[in-house]
Amino acid sequence: DGGITQSPKYLFRKEGQNVTLSCEQNLNHDAMYWYRQDPGQGLRLIYYSQIVNDFQKGDIAEGYSVSREKKESFPLTVTSAQKNPTAFYLCASSIERDRGVSNQPQHFGDGTRLSIL
Amino acid sequence: DAKTTQPPSMDCAEGRAANLPCNHSTISGNEYVYWYRQIHSQGPQYIIHGLKNNETNEMASLIITEDRKSSTLILPHATLRDTAVYYCIVRVALLYSGGGADGLTFGKGTHLIIQP
Repeated sequence: DGGITQSPKYLFRKEGQNVTLSCEQNLNHDAMYWYRQDPGQGLRLIYYSQIVNDFQKGDIAEGYSVSREKKESFPLTVTSAQKNPTAFYLCASSIERDRGVSNQPQHFGDGTRLSIL
Repeated sequence: DAKTTQPPSMDCAEGRAANLPCNHSTISGNEYVYWYRQIHSQGPQYIIHGLKNNETNEMASLIITEDRKSSTLILPHATLRDTAVYYCIVRVALLYSGGGADGLTFGKGTHLIIQP
């Protein structure tokens, strides 16, 4: 089945460590996104990428980094500079704008829950 | 993107239609209305979207008022599995977004509880 796979489902990090969250999609989507969700809150955009080897900062990019070396993959690294990394992280993808379908929805993975030890 | 207002929570009896309202009084002409839902500890699931006309798919119906300032998501026969937080989002169609983040802005949504 086509979809978005995030791994691991649960992740623990010691303070001062970097950690990388995986996101893979087989939907042939060009655009991919990372969001953060805190308890009882909506989603906030961290980074997004509309094409391979290109990505843009979202609203809360500080303390995070991403790469987009392959169309299918968009890993997110939570660095030690992120002072409050405990959250639920969600990856999404959508058809890119240039295909003329401008209003297509985003499809989400099931998330990774990151906790600090 | 225009701001939306939703009630924080709603109850609905199993088997009945669930009607979830959303106000978006500052919506502009090129903004679509999207609905997503999120079941606890899972990623959001796309439900439906529309611009002006009412829309229906296998999951739900979307009714948009003529002035486009509000909309209603209808789940025709609610089941216990429909218990979730429902998000109404208004955003510009991608071709017109002209730069800046292309992500979706999720508020707190409506927590819909289906009662047996």
